[in-house]
Amino acid sequence: SQQGEEDPQALSIQEGENATMNCSYKTSINNLQWYRQNSGRGLVHLILIRSNEREKHSGRLRVTLDTSKKSSSLLITASRAADTASYFCATGPSGTASKLTFGTGTRLQVTL
Amino acid sequence: GAGVSQSPRYKVAKRGQDVALRCDPISGHVSLFWYQQALGQGPEFLTYFQNEAQLDKSGLPSDRFFAERPEGSVSTLKIQRTQQEDSAVYLCASSLMASGAKETQYFGPGTRLLVL
Repeated sequence: SQQGEEDPQALSIQEGENATMNCSYKTSINNLQWYRQNSGRGLVHLILIRSNEREKHSGRLRVTLDTSKKSSSLLITASRAADTASYFCATGPSGTASKLTFGTGTRLQVTL
Repeated sequence: GAGVSQSPRYKVAKRGQDVALRCDPISGHVSLFWYQQALGQGPEFLTYFQNEAQLDKSGLPSDRFFAERPEGSVSTLKIQRTQQEDSAVYLCASSLMASGAKETQYFGPGTRLLVL
């Protein structure tokens, strides 16, 4: 079963604009990760934020985590056509469990 | 260095046929994961190996699904008597340490299975 839900399900923006995607989850976590998936390809890891962190940056990416609200957001600044992809959040549980639980994904379309 | 590789990339099987999907993780990675991704959905966990030990197989949907990693490197996911609902992309991922879901996982390109 999917743990997280991404919002929106689909997002279309123009090149140069910022894109914000949100993720909500249900159980306590050790970390939350964001992945990108281009059509027909595997997932590429973007960023990992641990439960004791509130914000993390990597290049044009900014991730926030609010464990009290069980939510995270991914901001892509100055988007490019190459950012067109599906974006998934995945939660790593607290405790000894081994599996990442993925959300349903946001499909981002960046047009010229 | 090479990433995670999977073969075949595409597999068409007739209902009832057995299939074997192969995963070559990044060299030296201790942890290996299999996921199943249905069309339009996020990946769903199937099973986890730490070296050759299968520590979690809670996501395998039925006893028709079997995975092994006998020497702690290459892994094979076998599906017996395939059914149409098995059609999906099967993703393999590896991570460096024996820490399960607590670190970055590196994914292969996946095997797209279509059962007719």
